[in-house]
Amino acid sequence: SQQGEEDPQALSIQEGENATMNCSYKTSINNLQWYRQNSGRGLVHLILIRSNEREKHSGRLRVTLDTSKKSSSLLITASRAADTASYFCATELQGGSEKLVFGKGMKLTVNP
Amino acid sequence: DADVTQTPRNRITKTGKRIMLECSQTKGHDRMYWYRQDPGLGLRLIYYSFDVKDINKGEISDGYSVSRQAQAKFSLSLESAIPNQTALYFCATSDTRTPNQPQHFGDGTRLSIL
Repeated sequence: SQQGEEDPQALSIQEGENATMNCSYKTSINNLQWYRQNSGRGLVHLILIRSNEREKHSGRLRVTLDTSKKSSSLLITASRAADTASYFCATELQGGSEKLVFGKGMKLTVNP
Repeated sequence: DADVTQTPRNRITKTGKRIMLECSQTKGHDRMYWYRQDPGLGLRLIYYSFDVKDINKGEISDGYSVSRQAQAKFSLSLESAIPNQTALYFCATSDTRTPNQPQHFGDGTRLSIL
C-alpha cells in the first residue's frame, strides 16, 4: 500500500503565485523528503525534514511536518516557469532499513 | 545527477530476451538502489544493496535480479523480459554513514519490451 500520497495530483498556476503541495503518510517515519522530477529526467532531492523538526526552509521552498497528523506540506513561493515538474514526497520509515517509500507524485504546471 | 550514470538511456527489446541495465556512481556512497517508475504509480523499489556483499529484495523483485560488482557498480537484470516490465528504471545511491541523508538518482533507463 502507498505510504505517501500527494495532494493535489495536479496543480496549474501562474508565474509569481505560490504553490502548495501536501503529503500524507501512514506510519512512523525518521524523515520525509521532497523530490522534483523534470520530464524525462531523474529525481532531484529538494529538501529533507526530520521527524523532530516542524518547519524547514531552503531558498523559495518551505516544508512543514506535522507528525501528529502524519502530513507534510511543500510551499514554493514566487513560482517560476522552471518550477514546472512532478513533485514527490518520500518517507523514510522507522525501522525500515533507511529505505524510502515514494508517493505517486503530483504535477505542477507554472504558466508564464 | 551526473555522479550517478545509467546505461543504456533507452532500450527496446523483445519478449523473452535477457537485458542488463547498468549503474555506476562516483559519489563514494555505500548504498545503491534500483527503482521502477510507471505512470501514476510513483517509484517502486526493486532491489537495494548496502554494500558489495549485501543484496536485499524490495517491493517488486519478482522477475528481476541484481549484481553489486563493486561499491560503485550495481546492475539490474531481467532474465526473460515480458511486456509488463516496460517502464522507466532508476538507479539511486545514498550515504548512510550519517543518518537522514537523501538519495541521488541517475537519469533513468527507458525500457520498452515488445
